[in-house]
Amino acid sequence: NAGVTQTPKFQVLKTGQSMTLQCAQDMNHNSMYWYRQDPGMGLRLIYYSASEGTTDKGEVPNGYNVSRLNKREFSLRLESAAPSQTSVYFCASNRLGNTGELFFGEGSRLTVL
Amino acid sequence: EDQVTQSPEALRLQEGESSSLNCSYTVSGLRGLFWYRQDPGKGPEFLFTLYSAGEEKEKERLKATLTKKESFLHITAPKPEDSATYLCAVPYSGGGADGLTFGKGTHLIIQP
Repeated sequence: NAGVTQTPKFQVLKTGQSMTLQCAQDMNHNSMYWYRQDPGMGLRLIYYSASEGTTDKGEVPNGYNVSRLNKREFSLRLESAAPSQTSVYFCASNRLGNTGELFFGEGSRLTVL
Repeated sequence: EDQVTQSPEALRLQEGESSSLNCSYTVSGLRGLFWYRQDPGKGPEFLFTLYSAGEEKEKERLKATLTKKESFLHITAPKPEDSATYLCAVPYSGGGADGLTFGKGTHLIIQP
């Protein structure tokens, strides 16, 4: 039972480069989320998707785009990476919106030089 | 303005030394208070949900309680394997109907 799988686990980019973080869940969950975690800032919600075909902005959406490809997959794209986007990114999912029991992936550590 | 504030930021205890972690919140119309545990290099793992003042939940050496303004995570006779960062969260109130807003966490170290 894989749960929530994120790829890649580590990535180094140069300023201005683009990349996509991939996330897939095998629990048939409706809602999916992207968070970033920075020292001293805690976890902050970037974007979420309450169901297939819908996406909404969270607390810190600037510089990011998302795609809910199907019920299983939710990707996060950085079109032009900046050093301020150096962070650990977590994808999460849950069965119904707002129950609070999120299942998280193991994270993707991104460094932008 | 922070909706969720956790204290202390870090706590070092001896094995067997009980203590409590605090989570204060400022949201109105609370729709749940959630506790998570995060180990180094891992994603957070769900522990408890509390919905109303006076509610308590227990799991092994952990007990979570809720009042109208704050929640406590009590750790009784902790073991080194309880070392982790403990996060509390409330439903995100940014206009949508989904997601959580997290506190910055308490980094707990249990020394043998």
